[in-house]
Amino acid sequence: DAGVIQSPRHEVTEMGQEVTLRCKPISGHNSLFWYRQTMMRGLELLIYFNNNVPIDDSGMPEDRFSAKMPNASFSTLKIQPSEPRDSAVYFCASSLGLRLSLETQYFGPGTRLLVL
Amino acid sequence: TQLLEQSPQFLSIQEGENLTVYCNSSSVFSSLQWYRQEPGEGPVLLVTVVTGGEVKKLKRLTFQFGDARKDSSLHITAAQTGDTGLYLCAGLPGTYKYIFGTGTRLKVLA
Repeated sequence: DAGVIQSPRHEVTEMGQEVTLRCKPISGHNSLFWYRQTMMRGLELLIYFNNNVPIDDSGMPEDRFSAKMPNASFSTLKIQPSEPRDSAVYFCASSLGLRLSLETQYFGPGTRLLVL
Repeated sequence: TQLLEQSPQFLSIQEGENLTVYCNSSSVFSSLQWYRQEPGEGPVLLVTVVTGGEVKKLKRLTFQFGDARKDSSLHITAAQTGDTGLYLCAGLPGTYKYIFGTGTRLKVLA
């Protein structure tokens, strides 16, 4: 299996522009997570999907952030408009979704976002 | 806000030395995981512990979950340069939302 696939790997954009990050989870995994990692705040959960349904989006910073999962093999995280403080590494992770306390979350390689 | 404090934040040691990394919280966790992250990559799960007092070994790595399930430690014996990376603990206070620790950045020198 190719693992969790994220694109793009790097994104540089200007403040105010729309940014879309993409994720393909591991086939057969029912749970999908979007995380953000910064030096200041570490790794934070943004949103959690189970069976394509958003279960917890309490970590989404504000209305500028939105996430969708139209099917089991694809998810997007959109930032509109982007701001310099959104600069971070964004990770997508997936797991089987049967018993999360014992499961392995498989992380993608991340998208390194820089907003100028 | 639940916090998971890791110590030390940074550690630089010589190959062959032993080390211990700590993960502490005031919250009780139903399970706790340890990850290693290398530059430019996502975290990779090393172990999951679920029972208070549980000890798990993974080659030269020994993981312990505190009796009260609020803290954990990772001990590496005879560190190798390949152990270099960012070590993250993650605690599960509920059913799905892991809280990640502040991280310990380890560098093992040849």
